[in-house]
Amino acid sequence: AQSVSQHNHHVILSEAASLELGCNYSYGGTVNLFWYVQYPGQHLQLLLKYFSGDPLVKGIKGFEAEFIKSKFSFNLRKPSVQWSDTAEYFCAVTLPLDDYKLSFGAGTTVTVRA
Amino acid sequence: DAGVTQSPTHLIKTRGQQVTLRCSPKSGHDTVSWYQQALGQGPQFIFQYYEEEERQRGNFPDRFSGHQFPNYSSELNVNALLLGDSALYLCASSNWAYGETQYFGPGTRLLVL
Repeated sequence: AQSVSQHNHHVILSEAASLELGCNYSYGGTVNLFWYVQYPGQHLQLLLKYFSGDPLVKGIKGFEAEFIKSKFSFNLRKPSVQWSDTAEYFCAVTLPLDDYKLSFGAGTTVTVRA
Repeated sequence: DAGVTQSPTHLIKTRGQQVTLRCSPKSGHDTVSWYQQALGQGPQFIFQYYEEEERQRGNFPDRFSGHQFPNYSSELNVNALLLGDSALYLCASSNWAYGETQYFGPGTRLLVL
């Protein structure tokens, strides 16, 4: 079965610090990869997605993610965080013939201190 | 352009009861998926509806059932509620033809006592 691992349960940062959240998946074939964010009191929103092509994907709000196939990883990065980036971040995957079944990681809570 | 809407926002039930949750997809979307998000965990796929049929199902018992209506809205029904069914239930919509990206609603918080 497909599984997604997020390495950090809770990350605490100061404003302007750099952020990197790890995500690994277990499936050996082609996958579609996603990062979703859930701000306090809001619903899940798509940050970015990767289906194919350039492994460095840029998303909204200055986030980017790099797909490294050899490492089965899709890590999320932001060079300089803001207080408003405080949220829960979820990595998710789908298989090409299973497009509608998102498999999520457990999530990483990011707290940015002003 | 309305996004995905869900009702009710919160619900309290007791063990053994039945519950129905509702979802209206984003305008232009014809596919609805349901997810269960327990506290401290990522969402887990329950099932997905397209053309009023269940197309895929996750690892959930038959107590969980659903329906999709001709206007693409959907219901999630859970029978014989257990304490462990307490969770945030999320609805996500997408377009079958264009696939992949799902848009989530705000969820229904269900508490089973």
